[in-house]
Amino acid sequence: KAGVTQTPRYLIKTRGQQVTLSCSPISGHRSVSWYQQTPGQGLQFLFEYFSETQRNKGNFPGRFSGRQFSNSRSEMNVSTLELGDSALYLCASSLKGALGYTFGSGTRLTVV
Amino acid sequence: AQSVTQLGSHVSVSEGALVLLRCNYSSSVPPYLFWYVQYPNQGLQLLLKYTTGATLVKGINGFEAEFKKSETSFHLTKPSAHMSDAAEYFCAVSETDSWGKLQFGAGTQVVVTP
Repeated sequence: KAGVTQTPRYLIKTRGQQVTLSCSPISGHRSVSWYQQTPGQGLQFLFEYFSETQRNKGNFPGRFSGRQFSNSRSEMNVSTLELGDSALYLCASSLKGALGYTFGSGTRLTVV
Repeated sequence: AQSVTQLGSHVSVSEGALVLLRCNYSSSVPPYLFWYVQYPNQGLQLLLKYTTGATLVKGINGFEAEFKKSETSFHLTKPSAHMSDAAEYFCAVSETDSWGKLQFGAGTQVVVTP
């Protein structure tokens, strides 16, 4: 079966711009979570969506937002980009929660 | 609150030698514990997980880990390292099976030498 698909794989943006990243979960999975990975801070939880509802949120500023559609696909948006937002953004999907996560290959965002 | 500590950011092992990666956690409730592996330019792949029951957990690629509640540890081992084991390894904890939030350790980079 198809895995978790994240698009685009690579992205270069300028400071102050906004960006939208997309995640298509495994068919049937209703939980989608997002993580930010940087060399300095490691892997940090951004938020989780389940059946179109955000049910958990990490400690990130309001510039980071997300949503989930009725087909379980999810997007995350970062507004007013800063250099520190450069990171690998990982999406994971599961049927219910943390026990059955499958991760996508990530979107590498570079802010210049 | 939960946290994860991985001892050693870099580990070098010889091919054929034992791989031992250390992970200690803190959690206010009985945790669910995980080990993930990440190869360059890829996402995370689940190696194994502990939920309940048997404390020795076997995973993929010959890895196993033992949950020791008294030591709050979940160390990862593999008896004989292979060149393909070179990657970064992350220990993670979740306090619930119903939500999707994982707390990760800082990671351990494994280098395998011939």
